[in-house]
Amino acid sequence: DVVMTQTPLSSPVTLGQPASISCRSSQSLVHSDGNAYLSWLQQRPGQPPRLLIYKISNRFSGVPDRFSGSGAGTDFTLRISRVEAEDVGIYYCMQGTHFPPTFGGGTKVEIK
Amino acid sequence: QVQLQQWGAGLLRPSETLSLTCAVYGGSLSGYYWSWIRQPPGKGLEWIAEINHSGGANYNPSFKSRITVSGDRSKNQFSLRLSSLTAADTAVYYCARGVSYGTELDYWGQGALVTVSS
Repeated sequence: DVVMTQTPLSSPVTLGQPASISCRSSQSLVHSDGNAYLSWLQQRPGQPPRLLIYKISNRFSGVPDRFSGSGAGTDFTLRISRVEAEDVGIYYCMQGTHFPPTFGGGTKVEIK
Repeated sequence: QVQLQQWGAGLLRPSETLSLTCAVYGGSLSGYYWSWIRQPPGKGLEWIAEINHSGGANYNPSFKSRITVSGDRSKNQFSLRLSSLTAADTAVYYCARGVSYGTELDYWGQGALVTVSS
């Protein structure tokens, strides 16, 4: 299985400041169709995961533009330009290029 | 707006079989892939299986032959069965929709806590 490694484990951030989460895969996520099926999910406390970003950098419907994704190959990043209180939660990267789909271990974003 | 509502037995004994169902509202089973994912208490996410719009299924090899997924187009529902339960299967189980094979999971159910205990 493809191993997805996220860093940091925890990210204390001041409100209004940026946050960045890294995700590294054990294999390239470029599919034979040319796409890279790397997505980012947010899980607020007590809630199911919610899709934020798909195919590296595409924001899902209704996701604020302070969230952005970038990367290629095996290294990917989720950035929050200005953290708001509602952004507290755990963020997961997920790959769907290789079977079975796998998730990163999660990064906890909390307010300082 | 697509909504997924799931239900199933919450407390099971070791060796029993878990059975969960997920109903899709505001959309159709057709044309999409429908996944099951689980999350042990305080831990990360694990993909279990999926069923596609034509009834084909893909299973995580980690579960070997313990899992079965099925779909019922007439009811717009899909289901998961996981047999030979152990305490390690205690988790919140989620259903989710995938746009296609291996792609992002864009809509999720609310989750169902399944506890396996004697």
